Amino acid sequence: GENVEQHPSTLSVQEGDSAVIKCTYSDSASNYFPWYKQELGKGPQLIIDIRSNVGEKKDQRIAVTLNKTAKHFSLHITETQPEDSAVYFCAEGYGDSWGKLQFGAGTQVVVTP
Amino acid sequence: DVKVTQSSRYLVKRTGEKVFLECVQDMDHENMFWYRQDPGLGLRLIYFSYDVKMKEKGDIPEGYSVSREKKERFSLILESASTNQTSMYLCASRAAGVNTEAFFGQGTRLTVV
Repeated sequence: GENVEQHPSTLSVQEGDSAVIKCTYSDSASNYFPWYKQELGKGPQLIIDIRSNVGEKKDQRIAVTLNKTAKHFSLHITETQPEDSAVYFCAEGYGDSWGKLQFGAGTQVVVTP
Repeated sequence: DVKVTQSSRYLVKRTGEKVFLECVQDMDHENMFWYRQDPGLGLRLIYFSYDVKMKEKGDIPEGYSVSREKKERFSLILESASTNQTSMYLCASRAAGVNTEAFFGQGTRLTVV
């Protein structure tokens, strides 16, 4: 699979501020872009995903935007809370029945009260 | 509540030992995956399986093998453990079909001494 670049690697924000994580991909065949949250001592868990026919998707305080032309997608967390502290992974998928996902390196988000 | 269960949270093994990591899912998913998680490298795919007795290499299969004798169980085997295989290992499963959600186990922290 192709690489997925994720930035930043660490992100420290004040409670109530917004957090943005960006990912870029290189495979134009990619059509599925999920975001996973991994809390300490747990496995990653899906928090939101977007498909290539959609430019933006929102779920309460979380939103994801996709720019297929530029091959990048971003996670936006508004009104951050201490429980948002975790490692976040972006991923890209190819829509095949095997369901392979290529993951970014992860972003450690720390929300300080 | 859907579940992917990994048999051990922590393992310590000696160099040269044969190591088995077990994963069981209760969702009747066709696809199962083994990832390795290292700081700064994200999740890297070792092997995956799309059916009983079927397996495919991922991005970093060297030094590993897998077994899927039953649909619900996917085992990762380190034929001769080495110190560079010290890592967090994550199992995941997904239903067949396009862009289905991946569910992860809690991870196995393996230390090879």
